[in-house]
Amino acid sequence: SAVISQKPSRDICQRGTSLTIQCQVDSQVTMMFWYRQQPGQSLTLIATANQGSEATYESGFVIDKFPISRPNLTFSTLTVSNMSPEDSSIYLCSVELRSYEQYFGPGTRLTVT
Amino acid sequence: QKEVEQNSGPLSVPEGAIASLNCTYSDRGSQSFFWYRQYSGKSPELIMFIYSNGDKEDGRFTAQLNKASQYVSLLIRDSQPSDSATYLCAVENTDKLIFGTGTRLQVFP
Repeated sequence: SAVISQKPSRDICQRGTSLTIQCQVDSQVTMMFWYRQQPGQSLTLIATANQGSEATYESGFVIDKFPISRPNLTFSTLTVSNMSPEDSSIYLCSVELRSYEQYFGPGTRLTVT
Repeated sequence: QKEVEQNSGPLSVPEGAIASLNCTYSDRGSQSFFWYRQYSGKSPELIMFIYSNGDKEDGRFTAQLNKASQYVSLLIRDSQPSDSATYLCAVENTDKLIFGTGTRLQVFP
């Protein structure tokens, strides 16, 4: 597997502000993914982030709300913009090490007040 | 709509028993299947993957795949209280994973 870190691990933010979540992996990977997991729910894919190309967003998620950067093969950021209480969730990054095998970071617990 | 279905549970089994977790999927084109374990407050951890019909064993875990029936299962032998967690089934579809809602397993002493 790989060592994946996320920062911050948790945050409490006011509505209308933005938060950038960082994801760092200890090896070079082509594909990184961002998920959201609301309490008691399963994982919902927000977008796929490949280095050197624009992120691919899933239905219901837009770049203006969740801009993603992927500057190199070990790092990605997800920004949650203009936050509302509905954005309160756990945000997870994952990396694909081998064919479709994804490994997750520890997550960022976001609370919007 | 590509779907992955799991019984939410909880599935309660006594320590030492076999826990059987099931998952069905809708897309016949899917070729890769994964089981993740998620402890409360933690992120999902990949524990098994299977690509071919039949059984795949790894320690106390056995994954079973039947593509004709579009069915994946995970058996946990000699269940321990430390196996108590939510188990997520994930199915590959067009270069991404579709996750089920998970089955909560409780192993009681």
